Amino acid sequence: RKEVEQDPGPFNVPEGATVAFNCTYSNSASQSFFWYRQDCRKEPKLLMSVYSSGNEDGRFTAQLNRASQYISLLIRDSKLSDSATYLCVVNPSNAGNMLTFGGGTRLMVKP
Amino acid sequence: NAGVTQTPKFRILKIGQSMTLQCTQDMNHNYMYWYRQDPGMGLKLIYYSVGAGITDKGEVPNGYNVSRSTTEDFPLRLELAAPSQTSVYFCASSRARENGYTFGSGTRLTVV
Repeated sequence: RKEVEQDPGPFNVPEGATVAFNCTYSNSASQSFFWYRQDCRKEPKLLMSVYSSGNEDGRFTAQLNRASQYISLLIRDSKLSDSATYLCVVNPSNAGNMLTFGGGTRLMVKP
Repeated sequence: NAGVTQTPKFRILKIGQSMTLQCTQDMNHNYMYWYRQDPGMGLKLIYYSVGAGITDKGEVPNGYNVSRSTTEDFPLRLELAAPSQTSVYFCASSRARENGYTFGSGTRLTVV
């Protein structure tokens, strides 16, 4: 089983739609969780950290479910500019400061 | 603040040649990393460093070497380039476990 698993997609949605991605992780002792965004042929960029209580940043909401070992990212009112690959990232806690990256979920927002 | 700077941005190598990918950060981060990303794939850790003078292997270290003589610099050396090393290489740095990584813009390497 992979340490961090994501549905690769692509998720094709119309502008204005709400879309959600899930990501599962295998290490129950994982401490830190993040969502990164990666545009085509660009470097990954931190989108948001994921806190135990859940957190929101504008149209983006991240949630953590420790019992089921998954995190989610919800994007409301999708924009064309949201088209990108979204990487789920976990710190397994027993790996120093090493983050484990999921393979990414590709989102394509269409007009 | 430049963040994490990688050079060169693009490079074509012939099989058997060697090169050094440069990475510099100006954020005084102790932790630095090298990843490779093959087309359509996730990031794989090559080497990492938790501070000057300290380096360790990641998931895919074969064919690569690193050094960390200063906090700022973390060069990645490719010896005897092979076509399997064709990839995009990302350098990253971080302050602590609670923070995410800051990535450089990447080096696109083709070995022919």
